[in-house]
Amino acid sequence: AQTVTQSQPEMSVQEAETVTLSCTYDTSESNYYLFWYKQPPSRQMILVIRQEAYKQQNATENRFSVNFQKAAKSFSLKISDSQLGDTAMYFCAFMKQYNTGKLIFGQGTTLQVKP
Amino acid sequence: DSGVTQTPKHLITATGQRVTLRCSPRSGDLSVYWYQQSLDQGLQFLIQYYNGEERAKGNILERFSAQQFPDLHSELNLSSLELGDSALYFCASSVVNTGELFFGEGSRLTVL
Repeated sequence: AQTVTQSQPEMSVQEAETVTLSCTYDTSESNYYLFWYKQPPSRQMILVIRQEAYKQQNATENRFSVNFQKAAKSFSLKISDSQLGDTAMYFCAFMKQYNTGKLIFGQGTTLQVKP
Repeated sequence: DSGVTQTPKHLITATGQRVTLRCSPRSGDLSVYWYQQSLDQGLQFLIQYYNGEERAKGNILERFSAQQFPDLHSELNLSSLELGDSALYFCASSVVNTGELFFGEGSRLTVL
């Protein structure tokens, strides 16, 4: 069975600084997707970034980028130029390829961006 | 706005009761997924429907059931409610095989 682990329950960062959230996962699959979702106080789950395991290049979306280390089964999220609106809970998630929709989530990391 | 609509946003009920949560997927999405978010269990996949048929099942209790109707909206029925069923229930939809889900705002269920 697949598992996703986020070892940092809470983190904080100063506005405009950079922060990295950690995620490790365990799977025997070779093809899969990895995601970071953001859940602000409004509670809606918002996709931040997505990575296909077969792609060696790390995904980037504006201020958000990932460090995907397939052999180490590590998938960290880097947020650059942190903004107050980035304050939220962040979830790392795993999905088997061709098993669309069944996400396995980590426990989440609460990120507080301080002014 | 994800385009996925869930009702009701909040629901308070008593143990032993039955409730129905409703979800309308994004226009054109054939797949609907239900997730439960609770303090002790975290976010868990419950069930998936694709074009009216059950496609995958996760950690869904026997007291819970779901269906997807011809117009593609879905309902999650929770019966014989227990205190531990208090949670946020999310619906999501997707275009098949993209690996990307769009979540609704969730229905907060409180069982007293």
